[in-house]
Amino acid sequence: GAGVSQTPSNKVTEKGKYVELRCDPISGHTALYWYRQSLGQGPEFLIYFQGTGAADDSGLPNDRFFAVRPEGSVSTLKIQRTERGDSAVYLCASSPQRPDRPRANYGYTFGSGTRLTVV
Amino acid sequence: GIQVEQSPPDLILQEGANSTLRCNFSDSVNNLQWFHQNPWGQLINLFYIPSGTKQNGRLSATTVATERYSLLYISSSQTTDSGVYFCAVGSGGSNYKLTFGKGTLLTVNP
Repeated sequence: GAGVSQTPSNKVTEKGKYVELRCDPISGHTALYWYRQSLGQGPEFLIYFQGTGAADDSGLPNDRFFAVRPEGSVSTLKIQRTERGDSAVYLCASSPQRPDRPRANYGYTFGSGTRLTVV
Repeated sequence: GIQVEQSPPDLILQEGANSTLRCNFSDSVNNLQWFHQNPWGQLINLFYIPSGTKQNGRLSATTVATERYSLLYISSSQTTDSGVYFCAVGSGGSNYKLTFGKGTLLTVNP
């Protein structure tokens, strides 16, 4: 598509429930990233996919968080046993390829985010 | 990890004024991007600029990698420029992992 699409835009869930957040990157972008932004802060890295594989999941806060990208396009961030501290805006971004290769532009394109509220 | 400091934290301008936003970082980087987050929360990529100077309309950016800072210039500001400006950096082989500063909140009054 023309931009990065994230659904749902808002999600309210009860503590302890399971949630899935979806990201549809720009067509042809091989790199996909998930970030989390809390109120008044800059986004924080969660996970990076290059193609279908999670190349770096070091930012996931604990084993309740998991993400997949089975066909190298759409990605789903899954959160089990949600806690109130998980409340934040979850942002997805994509880019053409790794920034360390000499190309003209590796600017990330972010989606509008999913605002997750755990009550 | 790498530290990113942005200044000033807040800036209020009258429409038409110029401004300079600064980003200092604690280590060498090979990925640096500037973003604008509008009042609706959308993050817009302004520049990918690990070194050198780029211009796009009323905006320009300069990164002096050897001195570990980057500057974002906004000329003839407009009310639509309001929002938070973030600098984000990555380094080494994991430079895809951006570390964001706390941002500069810009308010442009008519």
